[in-house]
Amino acid sequence: QQPVQSPQAVILREGEDAVINCSSSKALYSVHWYRQKHGEAPVFLMILLKGGEQKGHEKISASFNEKKQQSSLYLTASQLSYSGTYFCGTLFSGGYQKVTFGTGTKLQVIP
Amino acid sequence: EAQVTQNPRYLITVTGKKLTVTCSQNMNHEYMSWYRQDPGLGLRQIYYSMNVEVTDKGDVPEGYKVSRKEKRNFPLILESPSPNQTSLYFCASSSTTGGDEQYFGPGTRLTVT
Repeated sequence: QQPVQSPQAVILREGEDAVINCSSSKALYSVHWYRQKHGEAPVFLMILLKGGEQKGHEKISASFNEKKQQSSLYLTASQLSYSGTYFCGTLFSGGYQKVTFGTGTKLQVIP
Repeated sequence: EAQVTQNPRYLITVTGKKLTVTCSQNMNHEYMSWYRQDPGLGLRQIYYSMNVEVTDKGDVPEGYKVSRKEKRNFPLILESPSPNQTSLYFCASSSTTGGDEQYFGPGTRLTVT
């Protein structure tokens, strides 16, 4: 079951902040965040693991609420280069290694 | 340079003609995966592999086959392609399991007429 991302799309001016949310109805082991620019492959941003461990780029901030099965990606002081589609991927607790991605959040940063 | 390569990058074929999309990684990763990407549907996992000779179905495996005979290679096989398999396909790898960063290949755009 795909995680649900919100919002589906957002337009920001340079310097503004944004939050992208990802929620699941199933217990999660980890949440992954990727950014994809048009015509390119997804690029890793961050992984948040059950228990609090995080792996990722220092400039990216995210949270993982294990009780609510929700994660949020925080984009602060946005730059033009932040434009793209953001995907969250979830790995469910229970032993399977399937990563299920959401349908994406399209972010456009304008001057 | 650490990378995941896919070939071909673009392919136009006809219904029923068997095809293989190759995927290779040079990072000695154990976990490899195939995704398809369609507008509005995000990335959907087709198959994944935890190691050599160990593969399992993802969320949309129908109409696809995979094999993992060598650690570095994970080809995707469409034995009888149909128009609903027209899509953008990505191969990805990570060092161990789903708890690690996945490196994606450049993508293969497949059109089945």
